[in-house]
Amino acid sequence: DGGITQSPKYLFRKEGQNVTLSCEQNLNHDAMYWYRQDPGQGLRLIYYSQIVNDFQKGDIAEGYSVSREKKESFPLTVTSAQKNPTAFYLCASKGGFNQPQHFGDGTRLSIL
Amino acid sequence: AQTVTQSQPEMSVQEAETVTLSCTYDTSESDYYLFWYKQPPSRQMILVIRQEAYKQQNATENRFSVNFQKAAKSFSLKISDSQLGDAAMYFCAYWGGATNKLIFGTGTLLAVQP
Repeated sequence: DGGITQSPKYLFRKEGQNVTLSCEQNLNHDAMYWYRQDPGQGLRLIYYSQIVNDFQKGDIAEGYSVSREKKESFPLTVTSAQKNPTAFYLCASKGGFNQPQHFGDGTRLSIL
Repeated sequence: AQTVTQSQPEMSVQEAETVTLSCTYDTSESDYYLFWYKQPPSRQMILVIRQEAYKQQNATENRFSVNFQKAAKSFSLKISDSQLGDAAMYFCAYWGGATNKLIFGTGTLLAVQP
C-alpha cells in the first residue's frame, strides 16, 4: 500500500547529541513537510521541500536541519542547538496543488 | 498573513447527537482550500473533509459536512449521529497558493459521551 513511513516511533536524545528522524514516502509526491506538535497544541511547520535538492525553512526551523536527496526521503535532524526538542514530530507529503497532505504516524522524541 | 482560529478548545456531545465545530480564517487570497483533520489518541492525522474555496456547495463525507461561508471566512464542521470513535482532536487547516503551506488552527478536543 502507498503511504508515509516514519521511524523510529520513539526516540531518545542525550544532551549535546544530534538525532535524525526518518521519513519515507512511496506516493510519488513532490512535496514533503516536517511539523512539530507540542502537547495540547496545533502543528507548527519546521521545514518543507517542494522538489528534490531544494527545501525551505518553515516557522520554527532553528535547531533543525533537513536534506532532500531523493524524492522518496526527507530526513529531519534535530541538532544539539535545539534546546527544547521534546515533542511529537509529523512528516507529511503532498501531490498536486489541490491535493491534501498525507501524514505519517509520527515520531515521539524525548530527552534523556 | 493567513491565520486560522478555532475558538472552542473543547467540546462534548452525546452519542448519536449532532455537534458543530467552529473555524474562522483570515486571508486575502481568492483561491484556497480548507480542510478538517482528525487526530485520535493514536496521534495519526486523518483527513476528514476538504473544501475548495471556488465551490459554493458545501462538502459532505458521510456523517461529516461543512458549512462554508466564504464572505464571513467561516468553515464549521458538523458531525451527525456522533459515534464513540469520533472522539479526537479536530484541526481546521488552510492552504493557499501564496503561502504554499498548510496553516493549522489550535484544535478542538471532542469528547463523545455514551
